[in-house]
Amino acid sequence: GENVEQHPSTLSVQEGDSAVIKCTYSDSASNYFPWYKQELGKRPQLIIDIRSNVGEKKDQRIAVTLNKTAKHFSLHITETQPEDSAVYFCAASIGGTASKLTFGTGTRLQVTL
Amino acid sequence: EAGVAQSPRYKIIEKRQSVAFWCNPISGHATLYWYQQILGQGPKLLIQFQNNGVVDDSQLPKDRFSAERLKGVDSTLKIQPAKLEDSAVYLCASSLTGGNTEAFFGQGTRLTVV
Repeated sequence: GENVEQHPSTLSVQEGDSAVIKCTYSDSASNYFPWYKQELGKRPQLIIDIRSNVGEKKDQRIAVTLNKTAKHFSLHITETQPEDSAVYFCAASIGGTASKLTFGTGTRLQVTL
Repeated sequence: EAGVAQSPRYKIIEKRQSVAFWCNPISGHATLYWYQQILGQGPKLLIQFQNNGVVDDSQLPKDRFSAERLKGVDSTLKIQPAKLEDSAVYLCASSLTGGNTEAFFGQGTRLTVV
């Protein structure tokens, strides 16, 4: 089955700096890659996703890049703010939808003042 | 729109006891998922329903876990008997069926087995 690895496990940045979280996947048939943000004690919420027919997608301060050849994708957060502090999970699935998602192990992002 | 509802929010049981969790998905969402999230890890898919049929239950420990989705709406997940390693947050999610879909998660049920 699919295996998703995520790095780093923890990341601390100063407010205003950029943060990058990287994931690799094993199944070349995977074609849907969402990113979820989970604040302490709360539900995971989708923040951005990308499908395999595009290489990059941007939404305000958040961007995701995908390299299908290398089987890795990354989350980029620019101009970080304290409210960006949370655990971020990458995931992958086959079929282009949220069906049968395999999640990474998570990255705890801490944005310091 | 109303979100995915789950109950209870917290549950503490002794090992070998049984427990059940309930989920009410977003209205109109044909696909329902149960995930297990152990502390410090990402969610792991246990079972996926489309309407009242099982799409995938390959990671469900069927000797102790069972799930049903009668009438294709609400769902229950049961553990019997519970083990210490079942301590986790059990997340229910739902999505529309088809392309360009997003999985919406509930708040989860935090299970502690002592």
